[in-house]
Amino acid sequence: DIQMTQSPSSLSASVGDRVTITCRASQSISSYLNWYQQKPGKAPKLLIYAASSLQSGVPSRFSGSGSGTDFTLTISSLQPEDFATYYCQQSYNSRGTFGQGTKLEIK
Amino acid sequence: EVQLVQSGAEVKKPGESLKISCKGSGYSFTSYWIGWVRQMPGKGLEWMGIIYPGDSDTRYSPSFQGQVTISADKSISTAYLQWSSLKASDTAMYYCARRMNRAVAGTDLVWYFDLWGRGTLVTVSS
Repeated sequence: DIQMTQSPSSLSASVGDRVTITCRASQSISSYLNWYQQKPGKAPKLLIYAASSLQSGVPSRFSGSGSGTDFTLTISSLQPEDFATYYCQQSYNSRGTFGQGTKLEIK
Repeated sequence: EVQLVQSGAEVKKPGESLKISCKGSGYSFTSYWIGWVRQMPGKGLEWMGIIYPGDSDTRYSPSFQGQVTISADKSISTAYLQWSSLKASDTAMYYCARRMNRAVAGTDLVWYFDLWGRGTLVTVSS
């Protein structure tokens, strides 16, 4: 199975900061990478698909990049509603393994 | 409205059986794969398996193969996740999600979970 590893596991930042979360795949997955946001007590929400395509309705401060094994999710200017846990997911094969998550907390 | 509506929270004892449901509405239920995702308390997301309601083609994660059964009844636009003998370690929130396939320039068809249910909390305790 393809393993997905996110870093860091947690991150403290302030409103207005630029934040980057990294996801690494155990093998090349081309651009088959999705990013989700999950807030406490809520279902995950799709942010980015195909590594860099912004899902409809998602603010443009979110962006994704990367291909092969290394990917990043960037939030250009953190807003209060962005404090949540973020997950990457590979869609290279049908068994869409997730990363372990990155919890973004308020500094 | 396009939505997935999951069945309510369950409290069960070890060894009991359980079947939870996920009903789709507002779209062609038989045209999209439905996935199940586990989230144990305080932990991350785990992909369990998927089913194509159109023909009941099913795929499982090796971690969940033989532990759960995924099924669907297309006549009522509902997917199911079931256990024959629950364990305390099955305590978790279970989400269903619709898998969207999409053509993206520069790649073959990509997929992602674009529509999620609210989750069903399963608690297994003696």
